[in-house]
Amino acid sequence: GENVEQHPSTLSVQEGDSAVIKCTYSDSASNYFPWYKQELGKRPQLIIDIRSNVGEKKDQRIAVTLNKTAKHFSLHITETQPEDSAVYFCASSTAGGFKTIFGAGTRLFVKA
Amino acid sequence: EAEVAQSPRYKITEKSQAVAFWCDPISGHATLYWYRQILGQGPELLVQFQDESVVDDSQLPKDRFSAERLKGVDSTLKIQPAELGDSAMYLCASSPGQGYTEAFFGQGTRLTVV
Repeated sequence: GENVEQHPSTLSVQEGDSAVIKCTYSDSASNYFPWYKQELGKRPQLIIDIRSNVGEKKDQRIAVTLNKTAKHFSLHITETQPEDSAVYFCASSTAGGFKTIFGAGTRLFVKA
Repeated sequence: EAEVAQSPRYKITEKSQAVAFWCDPISGHATLYWYRQILGQGPELLVQFQDESVVDDSQLPKDRFSAERLKGVDSTLKIQPAELGDSAMYLCASSPGQGYTEAFFGQGTRLTVV
């Protein structure tokens, strides 16, 4: 079946460094790629998303890139802060939210 | 700010018993999702509704799980009989159902089967 692979499963960085999380999807019909942040004991919340007609999107310290040909997309967090520590999930879906598949998650630790 | 409401927040049940979870999506959201999240893993879609119709239940263990959204608003997910392996967080989410839109998640119901 269709799936989304996410790497790494755990990432530890020093405060101020950059963090990169990578995902690969298999469904060629996917055209919407959201990223969610889930803090301990809380619900997943969207932090950034990208559509298939865009190669890169940036929002302050967070950016996402998409390579449709390779079916890869990545999350980049610059100038990391301790409050960035959480689990990050990538997902792929089609417009309208169909066939939404989540990656297994990356636990990010930002050390002060 | 509108939120997805779920109840109960926590549920402990014995194996072989029946259990039900309730979800009230954000008003006006046509799409409703039920996800299961095992500790340390990503959410796994169990069932997706568009209004009152099921559009994807391919991962729903239909021999013991059922879901309904009779009036296209709130929804109930039932497990009968519960098994030890069903222990997980059950997340409900909703989205407008059109275009490229995120899913808004509820707080979830943490189920423990003993």
